Amino acid sequence: AQKITQTQPGMFVQEKEAVTLDCTYDTSDPSYGLFWYKQPSSGEMIFLIYQGSYDQQNATEGRYSLNFQKARKSANLVISASQLGDSAMYFCAMREGAGANSKLTFGKGITLSVRP
Amino acid sequence: DAGVIQSPRHEVTEMGQEVTLRCKPISGHDYLFWYRQTMMRGLELLIYFNNNVPIDDSGMPEDRFSAKMPNASFSTLKIQPSEPRDSAVYFCASSFNWEQFFGPGTRLTVL
Repeated sequence: AQKITQTQPGMFVQEKEAVTLDCTYDTSDPSYGLFWYKQPSSGEMIFLIYQGSYDQQNATEGRYSLNFQKARKSANLVISASQLGDSAMYFCAMREGAGANSKLTFGKGITLSVRP
Repeated sequence: DAGVIQSPRHEVTEMGQEVTLRCKPISGHDYLFWYRQTMMRGLELLIYFNNNVPIDDSGMPEDRFSAKMPNASFSTLKIQPSEPRDSAVYFCASSFNWEQFFGPGTRLTVL
């Protein structure tokens, strides 16, 4: 089974509107972390937001928030007030285990296009 | 800080040639990761190091691939001999806690 599933093939959003990018995960480890990265057309990987499995509140970083639903094993990224510069590929990733440093497993990614 | 540095940024080579990709992690980071990104397989971890020691190389596809980290500030990923299916973007990342910082990547094309 895939550990990280991102099924939306491509998303479009109007500038200044909010958009939700879906991510579901699969793990039997009670301790894990979930990440979102942005990859613009220039190719670099940019860290956006992190959610730990024991975190009581949903993570937020500026216009980014993570809708963490543990029972459903979903970790959707919400981008508020979309900007043209948000057009990029977005990857959800998971770290399993209690160690802060371990390998990340990435989903296939979602393409987001912001329309003016 | 300059961030994670990778070289070369682009590499075009012919099948059968040896290719060496280089990475300089962020100073003070004790973990280093090598990833490969392709359209077909997405972003996949090849190998990672902790304090210069390889911890998990289960993602290394074949014996043609090898990685070393001789010191805390330098790592190499070598492909010998290279094949067209090795064409991909290779990322190096480093970390000292849960956040991994990625380099700009090396785009490898094997003809």
